[in-house]
Amino acid sequence: DIQMTQSPSSLSASVGDRVTITCQASQDIGTDVNWYQQKPGEAPKVLIYDASNLQTGVPSRFSGSGSGIDFTFTISGLQPEDVATYYCQQYENLPPLTFGGGTKVQLK
Amino acid sequence: QVRLQQWGAGLLKPSETLSLTCTVYGGSFNGHYWTWIRQPPGKGLEWIGEIFHTGTTNCNPSLESRVSMSVDTAKSQFSLRVSSVTVADTALYYCARRSCSPTTCNTWIDYWGQGALVSVSS
Repeated sequence: DIQMTQSPSSLSASVGDRVTITCQASQDIGTDVNWYQQKPGEAPKVLIYDASNLQTGVPSRFSGSGSGIDFTFTISGLQPEDVATYYCQQYENLPPLTFGGGTKVQLK
Repeated sequence: QVRLQQWGAGLLKPSETLSLTCTVYGGSFNGHYWTWIRQPPGKGLEWIGEIFHTGTTNCNPSLESRVSMSVDTAKSQFSLRVSSVTVADTALYYCARRSCSPTTCNTWIDYWGQGALVSVSS
């Protein structure tokens, strides 16, 4: 199985801060990484697909980059509504589809 | 707009079988992978498996021996059964869709159900 190691597990930041989350795959997965946002009591929602593509309707302050093993998710200008848990996910080799452990983003 | 509505037993005893069904409203049922994902309370996401409308399945090897999935295309429904449940199977279970086009399938999940909480306790 391909493991996705996500860090940090939690962070606190101020409104307007740049927030960066990383995910490292246990083997080369090209650009087959997606990023989700999950707010409390809600199902996850895909924000970034194929490492760097913004899902329709998602604000442009969200972005993703990387290929191979190392991937980065960035919020450039944290907003109060961005408080959530964020997950990376891969499906380069199936099965299984795997998720990172999650990063809980809180306001300072 | 695609909407997934799920239901199933909420409280089980160890060794019983978990059974959940998801109905799809809107969009096409055929041509997509219908997926099950679970989330233990306060924890992360675990992919259980997926089934194509033809009945082809992919399953998490860690659960494969206890999991069965089925589809009913006439009713736009798909179902999950997990046998011999333990306390470790307590989780919020989501049904979801991994979309496909005629030539390729996405690697991400784009539609989710509301989730169904399943608790296993003696």
